[in-house]
This record gives sequence, structure tokens and C-alpha cells, in this order.
Amino acid sequence: QVQLVQSGSDVKEPGTSVKLSCTAARYTFSNYYIHWVRQAPGRGLEWLGRIDPGGGSTHYAQTFQGRVVMTRDTSTSTVYMDLGSLTSEDTALYYCARERPGNCHFDYWGQGALVTVFS
Amino acid sequence: EIVLTQSPGTLSLSPGERATLSCRASQSVRSSYLGWYQQKPGQAPRLLMYGVSSRATGIPDRFSGSGSGTDFTLTISRLEPEDFAVYYCQQYGGSFTFGQGTKLEIK
Repeated sequence: QVQLVQSGSDVKEPGTSVKLSCTAARYTFSNYYIHWVRQAPGRGLEWLGRIDPGGGSTHYAQTFQGRVVMTRDTSTSTVYMDLGSLTSEDTALYYCARERPGNCHFDYWGQGALVTVFS
Repeated sequence: EIVLTQSPGTLSLSPGERATLSCRASQSVRSSYLGWYQQKPGQAPRLLMYGVSSRATGIPDRFSGSGSGTDFTLTISRLEPEDFAVYYCQQYGGSFTFGQGTKLEIK
């Protein structure tokens, strides 16, 4: 069974950055995009961007351009998302999710990682 | 950016009834790129439908999707107790966006 295992929860101060990880297992890492989607408490889903683990190319949502960076480590099948200039509005559950390139939907999701921005 | 508006916000029905959930887009969506997800409390979303009407792996056939252009529908023909959850539509049109969700609750 495909697995996306995310790093644990984190608490950050405003103005700092957070780096989350998502480790893939039981499929060919380079064959699927990894996306990041967040969900603020009691709210809907918001897409942050995606990375192609094969070549490393990225596509970020305009809302997050300039403060999000996604990278990958092919040796460990892990994708990282770095989100900077945090505010309380960034408090949310962050999910990674998999897409077969061109399908434009997310067939497997990680378990989520809660980021709390608190001063 | 394409905005997706789901209705109703909350739908109260009983097991065995039929549920009809709507998703309206601010501009035309390519059918290949319209999906639906189910989310239960404390869980990640789960893919139900993609390409408007294709069921994801393991999704029972009481779930069906239809629509085109700007109007899409998810239908659950006969509600089971495990179907009560929040449902989101999602599209891709250069970027990914989700509807705000419909909560399907037990009446």
C-alpha cells in the first residue's frame, strides 16, 4: 500500500519559518508529483504548490510565491516544504498528497502535520 | 483563479436516502480535471471521483459524478452510515482550487 509519512507537529513564532517533510514508500518516488495542501482549523482546503521529485521542478500557488520552497531528496524519497514569514494565519494542518503527472487529482495523502504559529 | 462554490453548505439526510451535492465553478472547468474528496473528522481527505465521473479505487458504485462546464454534481444513491462526512470538489485550471465543502450530516 502506498504511504506518505509526514513529520510531526510544530509550534513556531511569527516571522519564522517551518520545514515539513513527507517521505514516500511503496511506489516509484520519481513517477509522481508531490503536492502540499493545507487546512486551517475548521476551514477548507488550500493548495500551496507541488514538486516533481524526478527533476525537481516546482509550481507554487501565486498566494505563496516568494515564501514557499519545495525540495526533494531522492536518496530518501523525501519531499520538504519550507514556508517562511509565518503569521497566525498560517496555523493549519499541512498535508502532502500524490498526483500522477497530468491526472490533476490527488490519489494518496499523508496523515497531516499541524503547524501552530503562536507568539 | 477558478473559484468553486459548493451547495448546500450542510445537508441533513437519513441513511437510505439519496444525496445530491453541487459544485459550481466561476469559469468553465475541463472535465478531466474535476474531482471529489470525502473527509471524515481527524482524517486526511480521500479521493472519491476524478474526471467528473470516474470512481477512485475501492469507491462503491453508490457514488456517482456528473456535469460539465461550470456545474458538477456528486450523487450518493443510497446513504450508508459511513457516508456522513464533509465533501469537497477540486479542479485544476493552471492552479488547483477546492470548494469550501458540503457537510453531510445525519438527520
